[in-house]
Amino acid sequence: GAGVSQSPSNKVTEKGKDVELRCDPISGHTALYWYRQSLGQGLEFLIYFQGNSAPDKSGLPSDRFSAERTGGSVSTLTIQRTQQEDSAVYLCASSSRGQGDTEAFFGQGTRLTVV
Amino acid sequence: ELKVEQNPLFLSMQEGKNYTIYCNYSTTSDRLYWYRQDPGKSLESLFVLLSNGAVKQEGRLMASLDTKARLSTLHITAAVHDLSATYFCAVQTSGTYKYIFGTGTRLKVLA
Repeated sequence: GAGVSQSPSNKVTEKGKDVELRCDPISGHTALYWYRQSLGQGLEFLIYFQGNSAPDKSGLPSDRFSAERTGGSVSTLTIQRTQQEDSAVYLCASSSRGQGDTEAFFGQGTRLTVV
Repeated sequence: ELKVEQNPLFLSMQEGKNYTIYCNYSTTSDRLYWYRQDPGKSLESLFVLLSNGAVKQEGRLMASLDTKARLSTLHITAAVHDLSATYFCAVQTSGTYKYIFGTGTRLKVLA
């Protein structure tokens, strides 16, 4: 596609429910990133996929968070048993090689509200 | 652990004035990126700096990188209202390639 696509754009869920957020990266990009941005804050790294390598999960805040990337393309971020502190904008980004010489391109984000 | 700090966090300036935003990082890296974020929007790439002494300019914005000092600057010349946004720098860690973002600088240009 022309850009990084994320869905849904907004999600309101009840505390304790599971949610799935989807990211469709730019076609041909091998690296995919998930970040979280709380209101008025910076970007918190969550997880990084590069090609067929094992993902870097070092930023996932708890075992309620998981992500997968199928076929080296679309990625899903799953949050189980959501808590109010999970409310944030979840941003996905992709880059062409992930080798440190290109910028990451960001999607529009999914705004998650846990009530 | 790589830490990236920006200052100032908030900047209110008059149109026509010049100012500089600073981005300091804690470990060796020669890959630094600047992004812009408008309220309620996603991040837009502004500059990619990949070597010591790199300088990039676009319109009223100029970015530079000093890897020895672990410092990048984003200089604003003759600010205009349209530059009002939050600016983030991001550094890539050697070997892992994840982008670590600074705290952001919220810029407001007053007419």
